Amino acid sequence: DIQMTQSPSSLSASVGDRVTISCRASQTILKYLNWYQQKPGKAPRLLIYASSTLQSGVASRFSGSASGTDFTLTINSLQPEDFATYYCQQTFSTPYTFGLGTKLEIK
Amino acid sequence: QVQLQESGPGLVRPWETLSLTCTVSGGSITSNNLYWVWIRQSPGNGLEWIGTTHNSGSPYYNPSLNSRATISVDTSTNQFSLQLRFVTAADTAVYYCARQSIADSGPYNWFDPWGPGTLLTVSS
Repeated sequence: DIQMTQSPSSLSASVGDRVTISCRASQTILKYLNWYQQKPGKAPRLLIYASSTLQSGVASRFSGSASGTDFTLTINSLQPEDFATYYCQQTFSTPYTFGLGTKLEIK
Repeated sequence: QVQLQESGPGLVRPWETLSLTCTVSGGSITSNNLYWVWIRQSPGNGLEWIGTTHNSGSPYYNPSLNSRATISVDTSTNQFSLQLRFVTAADTAVYYCARQSIADSGPYNWFDPWGPGTLLTVSS
């Protein structure tokens, strides 16, 4: 199975900050990498697919990038509604696997 | 817009079979380039993909489930279902159904939207 390693596991930031969340795949996954946001008691919500394509309806302050097996989710100018847990997912090969998540908290 | 809703018993006894249903509204379950997927989430195992199906193809599953899972589609009711046999406490989780879309421009695929999830507890 392809292992997805996210870092950090938690992060404190303030409204207006720029934050980056990292995800590393244990082997090549090309650009088959998705990012999800999850709030407590809710289902995950797709933010970005194919490494850098913004899902329709998602704010443009979210962006994704890739370099080899390293992937980054960037949130510019944090808003109060962005405090949540973020997951990466690879869909390059089955079994599809997720990272363990990065919890973004208010400083 | 497409919406999904899980339904299930909430509580299942050990070694029994859990059955969950996902009702799809706002769109047809038979649409091309759409697959249907079950995922679960537990504190111990995080998010875990269970399996994916298509209305006209064979399902494929996570090997970690040791062939205990079966996913089926009912086009007459616009629903798809999950059965998981011989459940144990390790199967206690929130179960989600979702749509798996494939890009027109290539085989990239993603899960969206998701149902709200249903908590399933395995206990005697």
